[in-house]
Amino acid sequence: DAGITQSPRHKVTETGTPVTLRCHQTENHRYMYWYRQDPGHGLRLIHYSYGVKDTDKGEVSDGYSVSRSKTEDFLLTLESATSSQTSVYFCAIREDAGALEEQYFGPGTRLTVT
Amino acid sequence: AQSVTQLGSHVSVSEGALVLLRCNYSSSVPPYLFWYVQYPNQGLQLLLKYTSAATLVKGINGFEAEFKKSETSFHLTKPSAHMSDAAEYFCAASLSGGYQKVTFGIGTKLQVIP
Repeated sequence: DAGITQSPRHKVTETGTPVTLRCHQTENHRYMYWYRQDPGHGLRLIHYSYGVKDTDKGEVSDGYSVSRSKTEDFLLTLESATSSQTSVYFCAIREDAGALEEQYFGPGTRLTVT
Repeated sequence: AQSVTQLGSHVSVSEGALVLLRCNYSSSVPPYLFWYVQYPNQGLQLLLKYTSAATLVKGINGFEAEFKKSETSFHLTKPSAHMSDAAEYFCAASLSGGYQKVTFGIGTKLQVIP
């Protein structure tokens, strides 16, 4: 198994509060991704990183920010959580830039915003 | 832009029956294609991938998929379903040169009936 952990695994928070989710990898892979998974939508890319301090937006980035100060950690922050951000969040890593490289996924974080 | 369509968000088969999960892609050039499986409360795991080396791709757990350019399809099959195959399956595509982006289908939940 790829060495990817996510923390916390479950979180309940109130609307308007900031929330930070952490993804940690031990594989030293360059590329890291944050997705959200919702019924009927599959996985949608929020943000991704292609190196330390190098990040870019995905298709559903509004209301989210990310940071990557070390190769092994990729943080996702919900600046002011809303009920529409209730979801399961997955981190993924990818070794190489090649399009044929698969992604390895973490176990997910279930976030509920009340 | 590329897109991935999975026909049937829920599929039910009897134990021992053929499994067929459909995936079609839309892209101006043939992408690299992947099938991932997600068991309850877990992250996604790679089942198999198409990288243009062979049109029939064999994966883990007895699954295989055939790339058909003329039909823009990459359907997943297994000759005989087991109870342990009950999971959600995602088709995904990435383009050569599109190192940061993988497009996922909405997923197909497979139910195996004893």
